[in-house]
Amino acid sequence: DIVMTQSPDSLAVSLGERATINCKSSQSVLYNSNNKNYLAWYQQKPGQPPKLLIYWASTRESGVPDRFTGSGSGTDFTLTISSLQAEDVAVYYCQQYYSIPDTFGQGTKLEIK
Amino acid sequence: QLQLVESGGGVVQPGGSLRLSCAASGFSFSYYNMHWVRQAPGKGLEWVAVTSQDGSTKHYADSVKGRFTISRDNSKNTLYLQMNSLRAEDTAVYYCVRSGIDWHFDLWGRGTLVAVSS
Repeated sequence: DIVMTQSPDSLAVSLGERATINCKSSQSVLYNSNNKNYLAWYQQKPGQPPKLLIYWASTRESGVPDRFTGSGSGTDFTLTISSLQAEDVAVYYCQQYYSIPDTFGQGTKLEIK
Repeated sequence: QLQLVESGGGVVQPGGSLRLSCAASGFSFSYYNMHWVRQAPGKGLEWVAVTSQDGSTKHYADSVKGRFTISRDNSKNTLYLQMNSLRAEDTAVYYCVRSGIDWHFDLWGRGTLVAVSS
């Protein structure tokens, strides 16, 4: 199984500042035949199901604000929130869908400083 | 309106069984792979099982293999999870999730809580 490791486990950022969450996979999730990284990011607010933010490592889902940016390739990935808003308080998960079983990172809790 | 609505959760004793259902609406159910993902209280996300569009291919997490069965009825736009030999560690919110040909999880239900306790 591919192990996904996020860092940090929790993060406190001031409103309007940048937040950066990292995700590392135990093996590459880059599929060479189509040059796509099978990596997604989800946001989960308290009492709600997860919501897809980013897929193919850097493609923003429809309706997701452009302050959310995904980057990286191979085994190292980053989710960046360029200017933190109050509504961004949530737990963020990365996920690989390169191979079954799909696996998630342990989550990063993002709070306001 | 795109929607997945889970039902069937509840409290069950260890060793017992439960069948979850997920009703899909607002999209062509038979075009999508469907998954169950669970989340233990206060914990992270764990993928449980997947079924292909026509139900011919299924995969399971090792933690549930041999105990859980995923199935679907495309005529009823419904996904199921039959859970047998339940253990305390199966206690979680179970989410019904859609993935298209691109495989990422683009639509989630609100979940149904399964509590295994004596």
